[in-house]
Amino acid sequence: ETGVTQSPTHLIKTRGQQVTLRCSSQSGHNTVSWYQQALGQGPQFIFQYYREEENGRGNFPPRFSGLQFPNYSSELNVNALELDDSALYLCASSLEVGTTEAFFGQGTRLTVV
Amino acid sequence: AQTVTQSQPEMSVQEAETVTLSCTYDTSESDYYLFWYKQPPSRQMILVIRQEAYKQQNATENRFSVNFQKAAKSFSLKISDSQLGDAAMYFCAYRSTLAGGTSYGKLTFGQGTILTVHP
Repeated sequence: ETGVTQSPTHLIKTRGQQVTLRCSSQSGHNTVSWYQQALGQGPQFIFQYYREEENGRGNFPPRFSGLQFPNYSSELNVNALELDDSALYLCASSLEVGTTEAFFGQGTRLTVV
Repeated sequence: AQTVTQSQPEMSVQEAETVTLSCTYDTSESDYYLFWYKQPPSRQMILVIRQEAYKQQNATENRFSVNFQKAAKSFSLKISDSQLGDAAMYFCAYRSTLAGGTSYGKLTFGQGTILTVHP
C-alpha cells in the first residue's frame, strides 16, 4: 500500500459525457501527476500539479483538465469523452516536485461506450 | 524529447532461474534518473529499482539489479532467483533532473514487458 487512493476504481461513461476522477495523495505530498495507460501500453503523462498550480503538461487536449486542492488531493476532469479515452488512469504523488520517488495509486479504469 | 523503448513484449522464466529485461532510451541530457516499475494485476505501479545517471555503480535491491550502460543508453533489469510473485508487467521509465522545464518530474515510460514465471 502506497497511501495514494483513487476513486472510483471502475466506471463506465457514454461518449460525449464528462467524467471526474479523484486522487488522495500520500500524507505530506504536495505534488501529484496523472497518467493515462491504454490497454497493453505504458502510462502517458497527462499533467502534474504542484502546490495547486499546473506544473507541466503532456500532449493531451484541453478537454483534459485538473485541479489540486489545498489538502493536495486532486481531480482529473475529462470533457466530451471519446471512445479512445477508455484507459486506466493513474495518479502518482511525490513529497516535493523534485523528489525522485513517485507513489502510485491503483488507478481508475474508465470505459467509454 | 526523451523516449524509452522496451523491445521484449513478453518474457518467461522458470522459478529460481535468472531473467534479464531490456530497456534502451534516448536523451540529450547528461543527468537523469532511470527506474524499473512492476505492475501486477492489481494495477498498482510499484518501484523496483532506481538508478541515478551520475552514478557509475549499478543499483542493486536484493534479487534485483541493473546493468546501466550510459554511453549505450541501455538500462537492463536482472531478476535473480525468480519467484512466482515476480510475475507482472515491468516498465522502464526515465525522469529528467532539469528543474523548471515542462517535463520536470514527468516519468516517461516504455511499452512494458510481461514477465511470466513458471513453477
